[in-house]
Amino acid sequence: RKEVEQDPGPFNVPEGATVAFNCTYSNSASQSFFWYRQDCRKEPKLLMSVYSSGNEDGRFTAQLNRASQYISLLIRDSKLSDSATYLCVVNPGNTGKLIFGQGTTLQVKP
Amino acid sequence: DAGVIQSPRHEVTEMGQEVTLRCKPISGHNSLFWYRQTMMRGLELLIYFNNNVPIDDSGMPEDRFSAKMPNASFSTLKIQPSEPRDSAVYFCASSPSLTQYFGPGTRLTVL
Repeated sequence: RKEVEQDPGPFNVPEGATVAFNCTYSNSASQSFFWYRQDCRKEPKLLMSVYSSGNEDGRFTAQLNRASQYISLLIRDSKLSDSATYLCVVNPGNTGKLIFGQGTTLQVKP
Repeated sequence: DAGVIQSPRHEVTEMGQEVTLRCKPISGHNSLFWYRQTMMRGLELLIYFNNNVPIDDSGMPEDRFSAKMPNASFSTLKIQPSEPRDSAVYFCASSPSLTQYFGPGTRLTVL
């Protein structure tokens, strides 16, 4: 079983749609959680951290369910510029390294 | 501010040749990471350094791969001899804590 699993998609949605991505992680001792965004042929960049109480940044909402070892990302009012691959990222704890999921590809169409 | 700098950006070489990838982390970041990304395997951590010391190299595929960090502002990843299956995008990232900042990557093609 992979340490971090995501549905690879692609998710094809129209502009203005709401879309949700899910991610599960296997290590129950994991400490910190993130979503990174990677544009085509570019490097990954931090989108947002994920906090236990859930957090929002504009049109983006991240949720964490430690009991189910589940992380989600909700994007409201999708824009063409949201088209990218979204990587679920977990810090397993007691180490500085991050474990990246395979990514979920989003394509927002006019 | 300059971000993470990697060179070369593209490398095309023939099987059996030595390849050296270079990385300059963001000043003040004490951790440096080397990743490999392919369509099949996604983003894989190869090795990471903390304060110039290798901490975890369990992701290094085999003895053909080696990495060094002689000082806080420079690291290399070397492949010798290179093989076609090493073709991938190699990213370097640096971090002051948990958030990692990636360089633009080196796209390696081994013929």
